Formats: sequence, structure tokens, C-alpha cells
Amino acid sequence: GAGVSQSPRYKVAKRGQDVALRCDPISGHVSLFWYQQALGQGPEFLTYFQNEAQLDKSGLPSDRFFAERPEGSVSTLKIQRTQQEDSAVYLCASSLFSPYNEQFFGPGTRLTVL
Amino acid sequence: KQEVTQIPAALSVPEGENLVLNCSFTDSAIYNLQWFRQDPGKGLTSLLLIQSSQREQTSGRLNASLDKSSGRSTLYIAASQPGDSATYLCAAHYGGSQGNLIFGKGTKLSVKP
Repeated sequence: GAGVSQSPRYKVAKRGQDVALRCDPISGHVSLFWYQQALGQGPEFLTYFQNEAQLDKSGLPSDRFFAERPEGSVSTLKIQRTQQEDSAVYLCASSLFSPYNEQFFGPGTRLTVL
Repeated sequence: KQEVTQIPAALSVPEGENLVLNCSFTDSAIYNLQWFRQDPGKGLTSLLLIQSSQREQTSGRLNASLDKSSGRSTLYIAASQPGDSATYLCAAHYGGSQGNLIFGKGTKLSVKP
């Protein structure tokens, strides 16, 4: 079975551009998470979905960040008017049912904002 | 504030040595703890998940322990190999409304042939 996949793997954006990052969780996984990982740091939580419901978005750093999972499978993280401080690796993870089940991570999208 | 700390930040050992990586957490009301490895430029690979009711979990040459009362977890790697070189991250899960993992900054392990 396929693991979590993310696209694109690398994204270069000019400051002020909008970007959209995609996550395909493991098939059948109910819970989906987005994390942001700065260089040399551990991942930090952004937002969490259970099926299509966004249950926690407390980690989103500003209102320029928006995430959706309209059909309860694929998720998109959108960043509007990108800033240099948004440069990071964006990781997606999924777990089978409960968020407290083992989380499985995708390869990440490395975003560089020039 | 719930925090996870990993010391040391980097570790270099010769091949074949047994080693221990340390993880500490500030809040003992932990639900479970997960250990990951991350290779350069890659995502996280789950190694072991320890529930709060467990004291240890084993997978191959890896053994993870959990001591809630002291706020500590250790990852023991037996007979280390160059292929074990990676960054090892521990992450804590707390109950309640929080579904997210809280990560340490990781320990970068280098195993020299």
C-alpha cells in the first residue's frame, strides 16, 4: 500500500505569490495533520482534520494560511501572499482513526520564498 | 507549556557501539510517545510508538522506554551501523482536545564505519 504522498516536493515562490501544497493521505485514514519544519528544528503543528472537519487550526501562523479537506481524503494547504519567513518544509501526516494512533508522514514539500 | 527536549543535539559513535538517545517532556500527563528517524531531505519514518500504559517497546535493534514519572524516554540502538545515521526525533501526544504531536528538535546521529 502507498504511504502518504505530497506534491510538489519543491516549490520556489516569489514573495507575494500564492502557493498550494497537496497531501494524499494513506487510503482510509481518518485523521490528517499539517506540520511546518524550519531548518534544524522539529516539526511544529499547523492544523488537524478528522475526515472533512477541521477540528484544530490553532497552529496556523497567520490568516494567510488556509487548509481544506473537502471530501475527507486529499488535503490542500494554501499560503497567500507568501513571505520569506514562510520558507520551510511542510509535512503532512495521517493516522487511521484517532489522532492518538500512530502518525505516518509524507516526504514533505520544501517551500523557498525569494 | 508542554515542551519536549532532546539532548545531545548531535552524537557521533563508531560502528558496532550500543547507544542511547534521550528525550524529556515537561508534562507527565502524556498519552503516548512516538520516535521517528529523519534522513536528510526526507520525511519522518515512524520507528516506535509507546502508549502511556507501557514501559517499553522493541523493534529489531531498537528499544524505546517510557518513564512518565520522571518525564523521560530513551531510544536504545544496539550494534549501531552506518545506515543508522540520521536525525532521531521524539514526539509526545497529550490527550484532551489536542490531536497533534509535540516534537523535540532531534538528535543527529552519525555512525562512523
